[in-house]
Amino acid sequence: DSGVTQTPKHLITATGQRVTLRCSPRSGDLSVYWYQQSLDQGLQFLIQYYNGEERAKGNILERFSAQQFPDLHSELNLSSLELGDSALYFCASSVGEGLEQFFGPGTRLTVL
Amino acid sequence: QKEVEQDPGPLSVPEGAIVSLNCTYSNSAFQYFMWYRQYSRKGPELLMYTYSSGNKEDGRFTAQVDKSSKYISLFIRDSQPSDSATYLCAMRNTGFQKLVFGTGTRLLVSP
Repeated sequence: DSGVTQTPKHLITATGQRVTLRCSPRSGDLSVYWYQQSLDQGLQFLIQYYNGEERAKGNILERFSAQQFPDLHSELNLSSLELGDSALYFCASSVGEGLEQFFGPGTRLTVL
Repeated sequence: QKEVEQDPGPLSVPEGAIVSLNCTYSNSAFQYFMWYRQYSRKGPELLMYTYSSGNKEDGRFTAQVDKSSKYISLFIRDSQPSDSATYLCAMRNTGFQKLVFGTGTRLLVSP
């Protein structure tokens, strides 16, 4: 157990809908990272927050947005969902902006 | 061409074998190199990381980086069935937090 929690574990929804994925980092970790893992693309970095501020952006679609709250938990919002958004979404956290990122168990999103 | 290339496998070996997992990359700015292990339906778990070129050993695991060839390896000695998982390489440059992952190699160690 990495200490990073993610909810929900599974999410099934329809195209065009909007969902919110939640992540609680390890106690004391200030950085939160979001990743998308699909079979054909592998693990893709989406976005990083550090102590409430956006620090780095990867291949995140405009339909996706994230934020980190004062209690350091983070949410990833996915809107106007498409079939191709079906994937595993992982959150990771680290102390500061260090190398060691600890991953949560992931949220499996299925868009029908 | 992807920045990081990794053979998806699966790689099947008998228990006790030495396993070699590899990645190649194209971005010469990468300075930090990591190996993650991912069991089915779990999040990736960091095994080791190295900075720049050289070797690093941790128990049965040895990581090697050859920056001149843009090639990194993970060796597993005395492989065990519990080592059966997908192994992901990841890398990044200094000062930028984005990790670039390979697609992973699936390893199967049979008893």
